[in-house]
Amino acid sequence: DTEVTQTPKHLVMGMTNKKSLKCEQHMGHRAMYWYKQKAKKPPELMFVYSYEKLSINESVPSRFSPECPNSSLLNLHLHALQPEDSALYLCASNLGIGSNQPQHFGDGTRLSIL
Amino acid sequence: DAKTTQPTSMDCAEGRAANLPCNHSTISGNEYVYWYRQIHSQGPQYIIHGLKNNETNEMASLIITEDRKSSTLILPHATLRDTAVYYCIVRAMYSGGGADGLTFGKGTHLIIQP
Repeated sequence: DTEVTQTPKHLVMGMTNKKSLKCEQHMGHRAMYWYKQKAKKPPELMFVYSYEKLSINESVPSRFSPECPNSSLLNLHLHALQPEDSALYLCASNLGIGSNQPQHFGDGTRLSIL
Repeated sequence: DAKTTQPTSMDCAEGRAANLPCNHSTISGNEYVYWYRQIHSQGPQYIIHGLKNNETNEMASLIITEDRKSSTLILPHATLRDTAVYYCIVRAMYSGGGADGLTFGKGTHLIIQP
């Protein structure tokens, strides 16, 4: 069982829909991350939040909008996605930027865009 | 972050030790070596990490060469449940913000044979 919880586990949406992915951790971690993983490829970093502030955006299209309401929660708001955005979206957390402690991952949300 | 090189795939007999190599010849002095694995349809699972000394935990052992240019992950008694993609990642520690995400390579697909 992972200590990082992601909901929903699966999501199917049309290109005109608006939906949100949620991630929650209660380990007191102050850094949280979104990664995208296409089929048969390694995960790729999208966003990094440190102390609830966005510190890294890896040139992600604006149709993906992250939000960190508090230190335990991380959301990814989705709007007007394209079929090529279908992927596994992974959330991770760790103690904080600059720590050598490992990142802990959730099991992801598998997103399908129709 | 420095790049890593891993074999694409490896086989190991159940009950034997699985030894997974990783080359990181351009590693810097402040970069740690992390190992994660990803079982199908799950998020990456942290296994072990180290800087220059060998490390052991309940899952595995990590052997880092003296020049730190390569390392080996050892699963002492492989089981069928150890079949997964294993990622070797080097990651620098930054203080006060800056790049902190993990850069995944293609990893090694380890198949444990019954």
